[in-house]
Amino acid sequence: QITLKESGPTLVKPTQTLTLTCTFSGFSLSTPGVGVGWIRQPPGKALECLALIYWNDNKEYSPSLKSRLTITKDTSKNQVVLTMTNMDPVDTATYYCAHEARYQVGPFFDYWGQGTLVTVSS
Amino acid sequence: DIVMTQTPLSSPVPLGQPASISCRSSQSLVYSGGNTYLSWLHQRPGQPPRLLIYKISNRFSGVPDRFSGSGAGTDFTLNISRVEAEDVGIYYCMQGTQFRTFGQGTKVEIK
Repeated sequence: QITLKESGPTLVKPTQTLTLTCTFSGFSLSTPGVGVGWIRQPPGKALECLALIYWNDNKEYSPSLKSRLTITKDTSKNQVVLTMTNMDPVDTATYYCAHEARYQVGPFFDYWGQGTLVTVSS
Repeated sequence: DIVMTQTPLSSPVPLGQPASISCRSSQSLVYSGGNTYLSWLHQRPGQPPRLLIYKISNRFSGVPDRFSGSGAGTDFTLNISRVEAEDVGIYYCMQGTQFRTFGQGTKVEIK
């Protein structure tokens, strides 16, 4: 079955760079149509998609955060890494990674990790 | 960005009664090829979201048939035929036609 798990620091200081890793199993990021996305949710607020990476290494970024984000994949390790620069307290949120199968279900997140809470504070 | 707007933001519903949530997009969600990429997700407190409905009206694996989706173009609806205790939480619509955007969420609680 498909599982995803996020890992990374729980606390970062303002202006620092956040690096999060999504480690997954049950699918391959070399399969056509497959993608992995990062989504965040500030406490008590709505979901926001940050970035996506696909089997063919195409990438998409949130227009409002594009300058701060980089998404990469390591197919051999079954991992996707998100970096976000210049962290600010407003970036405090639970960060999720999720699976997408464009050629089966469509461009939708059908499996999600449990999320990791990142707090930005000095 | 496509902006997704949900109504209502809160919906107290007696057990066993129906519930309905609306979602409107700022532009048409019809993609080239004719598909409409609108989904619904449910998030229980302290849990990640889970996919309920995709492409307007298709129930994802394991989703009970009391959940149904409808709509076209820019206006969509999620219906729960008879609300059960496990249905409480926040429901989000999400579009996949352009870079993914979510509605602000609708909280369903038992009245």
